[in-house]
Amino acid sequence: QVQLVQSGAEVKKPGASVRVSCKVSGDTLSDLSMHWVRQAPGEGLEWMGGFHPEDNEIIYAHTFRDRVIMTEDPSTHTASMALSSLTTEDTAMYYCATAVKDSVGYFRDAFDVWGQGTMITVS
Amino acid sequence: QSALTQPASVSGSPGQSITISCTGTNSDVGLYNSVSWYQQHPGKIPKLLIYDVSIRPSGVSNKFSGSKSGNTAFLTISALQAEDEADYYCSSYTDSTILLYVFGSGTKVAVL
Repeated sequence: QVQLVQSGAEVKKPGASVRVSCKVSGDTLSDLSMHWVRQAPGEGLEWMGGFHPEDNEIIYAHTFRDRVIMTEDPSTHTASMALSSLTTEDTAMYYCATAVKDSVGYFRDAFDVWGQGTMITVS
Repeated sequence: QSALTQPASVSGSPGQSITISCTGTNSDVGLYNSVSWYQQHPGKIPKLLIYDVSIRPSGVSNKFSGSKSGNTAFLTISALQAEDEADYYCSSYTDSTILLYVFGSGTKVAVL
């Protein structure tokens, strides 16, 4: 049973950067397709980026690609998402989530395990 | 790339069935059988209900069912109960060059 535990809430000034970590247990990070989704207060879900198996690389949504970096450290079983040049519009709950893996090991286009979320406030 | 279109709210009485629509384009919902649905209670994390249009993950009640017709996907909740009151989001893989996945605008389900 995969579990994802994220780092704690942070408050940042506009223009600063933030790094959110996501520690994996129950499976090997390299065997997962990790993604990041955010949700502004009272708003919907927004996909930020994640591992694309077909391309074997991390793909970023264009909205964020100039200021986001997603990394994975197998030695610490931890995925991270760093977002720079923060504005008040980046105030949101940030989630890591893993793609569904079917019975034969293929990734599906849906996210079944979610971290508890990390609230980032830019003010 | 705009969010997939969902009704802002849907309501029903206990025991009834309701259906939530999710309208996209022929670049996402209409092109791929990769529609998923999530339930989110206030202050909680999203929970996957349906993937690949109509497949329920292990442990998800069969009161939730999914379907698709053209550019629109549907989530049906049968035998509505108070605990079904939540926000529901659809999502689809997309062939857009600017992102891989697009979410719906969300639908608040109220149990009257």
